[in-house]
Amino acid sequence: KQEVTQIPAALSVPEGENLVLNCSFTDSAIYNLQWFRQDPGKGLTSLLLIQSSQREQTSGRLNASLDKSSGRSTLYIAASQPGDSATYLCAVKLSSSNTGKLIFGQGTTLQVKP
Amino acid sequence: NAGVMQNPRHLVRRRGQEARLRCSPVKGHSHVYWYRQLPEEGLKFMVYLQKENIIDESGMPKERFSAEFPKEGPSILRIQQVVRGDSAAYFCASSPTGFTDTQYFGPGTRLTVL
Repeated sequence: KQEVTQIPAALSVPEGENLVLNCSFTDSAIYNLQWFRQDPGKGLTSLLLIQSSQREQTSGRLNASLDKSSGRSTLYIAASQPGDSATYLCAVKLSSSNTGKLIFGQGTTLQVKP
Repeated sequence: NAGVMQNPRHLVRRRGQEARLRCSPVKGHSHVYWYRQLPEEGLKFMVYLQKENIIDESGMPKERFSAEFPKEGPSILRIQQVVRGDSAAYFCASSPTGFTDTQYFGPGTRLTVL
């Protein structure tokens, strides 16, 4: 059974710091991995999607890496800003699934202090 | 283009009442996923539907919960005889053709059971 774990559960940093969020998964047979952002009381915004054949994806100050063999992904946020404060979720889609359902981690809640 | 729409955004029910949650997918999308986010937990897959068909309901509680996606109109998640443990945020996502596609998430319906 695929399990997705995110560490740390919460993180507080001063503005301007670079930071790394971690995601690990137990079944390496994934189709892709996706990082989402969730603001309080809001829905999910997709940040980056990494296909199983890719090693990383970048969008602005965000960089996500994927090491499928070790079951790990990291989300790197450069020069953090207070507006980055949110919960960050990672989710995997299994290759063995014929439905495409996503399996989510519990999230890392990030607070960036001005 | 309108994204995924969910209504109501907030729903309050007393124990024993019925809750009906509606999801209108992105125009042209024929695949709908429902996820539930319990307090302090990550999102969990509930059910995957295509037009007029339930494809995977492996995440649905066996009793009181049902879902449909009719040929015309929104997808409906129905919870009968709600209990306090049903209080959660319910998210709907849609995709054009299923497994290989990115899922686009709605803003969610927050159900509170008194």
